[in-house]
Amino acid sequence: QKEVEQDPGPLSVPEGAIVSLNCTYSNSAFQYFMWYRQYSRKGPELLMYTYSSGNKEDGRFTAQVDKSSKYISLFIRDSQPSDSATYLCAMRNNAGNMLTFGGGTRLMVKP
Amino acid sequence: DTEVTQTPKHLVMGMTNKKSLKCEQHMGHRAMYWYKQKAKKPPELMFVYSYEKLSINESVPSRFSPECPNSSLLNLHLHALQPEDSALYLCASSQGLREGGNYGYTFGSGTRLTVV
Repeated sequence: QKEVEQDPGPLSVPEGAIVSLNCTYSNSAFQYFMWYRQYSRKGPELLMYTYSSGNKEDGRFTAQVDKSSKYISLFIRDSQPSDSATYLCAMRNNAGNMLTFGGGTRLMVKP
Repeated sequence: DTEVTQTPKHLVMGMTNKKSLKCEQHMGHRAMYWYKQKAKKPPELMFVYSYEKLSINESVPSRFSPECPNSSLLNLHLHALQPEDSALYLCASSQGLREGGNYGYTFGSGTRLTVV
């Protein structure tokens, strides 16, 4: 079993839809949770960063962390074709800087 | 400056060539990383430098040789690569643990390497 599981997709939605992307993890030591967006042939771009449990909102993006269920989510409201990309979750513990990535979910938003 | 700059963006090299990938950041980050990413896969960690010292080598073959000349620069020297080494090579940086290390990595755009 991988430490971080993420559905690879592809997830195809119409423009304007609410998108839900999720990751589950097995290591209870993870404390910091991140979402990265990666366009084709580009490096990952940090979208959201959260510490421990709770919600964080930034514009159309909301990140949720439920440590009791070992489950994190990224919601995208009013999705746009420009949101079409691969979304990677990543997480780490307190002991160091090492990130553990999920496998990434490919999202396609159709006009 | 909030960027990690990688050069070159594309590189084609033969199996007997020697080449270097370069990475630069001016955010004062004291941890720098090399990742390898194959198509439709997440990044795989290769090396970690912390305060200019190599702290993690994820069992990477010796044909990949990292170097950190100073706190802003990171190089990856390549020699005698194989076609299966073709991939996107990503550099990233983050705060060091002494600075709290409480933020995510900033990635560069990568070098797309093709070994022929």
